[in-house]
Amino acid sequence: EVQLVESGGGLVQPGRSLRLSCAASGFTFDDYSMHWVRQAPGRGLEWVSGISWNSGSIGYADSVKGRFTISRDNAKNSLYLQMNSLRAEDTAFYFCVKDKTPFFGSRQNHFDYWGQGTLVTVSS
Amino acid sequence: QSVLTQPPSASGTPGQRVTISCSGSSSNIESNYVYWYQQLPGTAPKLLIYTNDQRPSGVPDRFSGSKSGTSASLAISGLQSEDEADYFCAAWDDNLSGPVFGGGTKLTVL
Repeated sequence: EVQLVESGGGLVQPGRSLRLSCAASGFTFDDYSMHWVRQAPGRGLEWVSGISWNSGSIGYADSVKGRFTISRDNAKNSLYLQMNSLRAEDTAFYFCVKDKTPFFGSRQNHFDYWGQGTLVTVSS
Repeated sequence: QSVLTQPPSASGTPGQRVTISCSGSSSNIESNYVYWYQQLPGTAPKLLIYTNDQRPSGVPDRFSGSKSGTSASLAISGLQSEDEADYFCAAWDDNLSGPVFGGGTKLTVL
């Protein structure tokens, strides 16, 4: 059974940093690209960032480019999101999401398994 | 403001057929696959339709997807109370170099 368990969320002041982690199990982690998708409370979904199976291809939404960094450790079956210079508008549930393909950057990228999410609240 | 446009709400009675539309552009829906996700209250989203019209195993055949030009649709036939959820469309966007979502449609079963 595929499991994606996020951690690292919490309350943080504007301008500070936070690092999210995602522990994956139930599938061969290094066979698939991975993503972070966020959802502000009561709002829609927004793709944040994606990374290919070997970290060779990475992408970011314009809203987080230059502030967030995605990475993965295939030996640890883990996905990470380093979030710097946080803003109030970054407040959201952050979902760790598995892709159906190993590559990032194509029409076939889509999300077949989702974690339960971790809440990040940016407020003073 | 979402790149893909969906109606904010839809409704139907049990047994009825409802459709949810998703409108985009030449850089996303017209040239790429469309995906649909179902989010039940208080839960994470779940893949409902992939590559325009394919259902993952376990998804009832009451759910169907279609695409034409810059628009796509999700149809739900034989509506059931457990179908009450938020539905999101998504597609790769060539200009943004990433996946984009619709704003979501809240389906109410009356």
